[in-house]
Amino acid sequence: QQQVKQSPQSLIVQKGGISIINCAYENTAFDYFPWYQQFPGKGPALLIAIRPDVSEKKEGRFTISFNKSAKQFSLHIMDSQPGDSATYFCAAGLSGSARQLTFGSGTQLTVLP
Amino acid sequence: DGGITQSPKYLFRKEGQNVTLSCEQNLNHDAMYWYRQDPGQGLRLIYYSQIVNDFQKGDIAEGYSVSREKKESFPLTVTSAQKNPTAFYLCASSRSGTATHYGYTFGSGTRLTVV
Repeated sequence: QQQVKQSPQSLIVQKGGISIINCAYENTAFDYFPWYQQFPGKGPALLIAIRPDVSEKKEGRFTISFNKSAKQFSLHIMDSQPGDSATYFCAAGLSGSARQLTFGSGTQLTVLP
Repeated sequence: DGGITQSPKYLFRKEGQNVTLSCEQNLNHDAMYWYRQDPGQGLRLIYYSQIVNDFQKGDIAEGYSVSREKKESFPLTVTSAQKNPTAFYLCASSRSGTATHYGYTFGSGTRLTVV
């Protein structure tokens, strides 16, 4: 019930292309879905987040698409750049839960110049 | 600047030794967390604490111990009972009950290697 499944494990995209990372969850009580970006040797940093009352949220080149009925959400990176090369984690959170966030397994994105 | 400081950045442990990883935050956050990161396995929760002098086990607490004597500090001890401790360890914090509003702030991690 607490698991968040993320795919693909790794992704290679050409510069200027669209990167798409998908996540699925089981617990319908989750009410917060953030994405984190992690560069090598650093801690993850919050990139963008969405709540289940909206189907899409866009911040610059980054968009979260959310499908409540399918219990899936995805990160789209438009016009991908080599500087976007990093590991991306999806997560799901439950308001009021002491555990707070459950993370996916991560996707290593490489954007080729 | 406010943030989370983890030290050391690299740590080497001999077989049978206990080692302690430091995590200090000056964000005035109530909640603190320890995660272990292994390739292909994402972030796995070791321990978490919502308030001083209280903490709970996460999914992989065996072989680890923590203390929370001060709001700012949440050290993690990797004991000799942890059979495979080589990993990247991340500390995080959030305002209590608000991780689902503002997310976590992470430290830069400690890479522990058994030699």
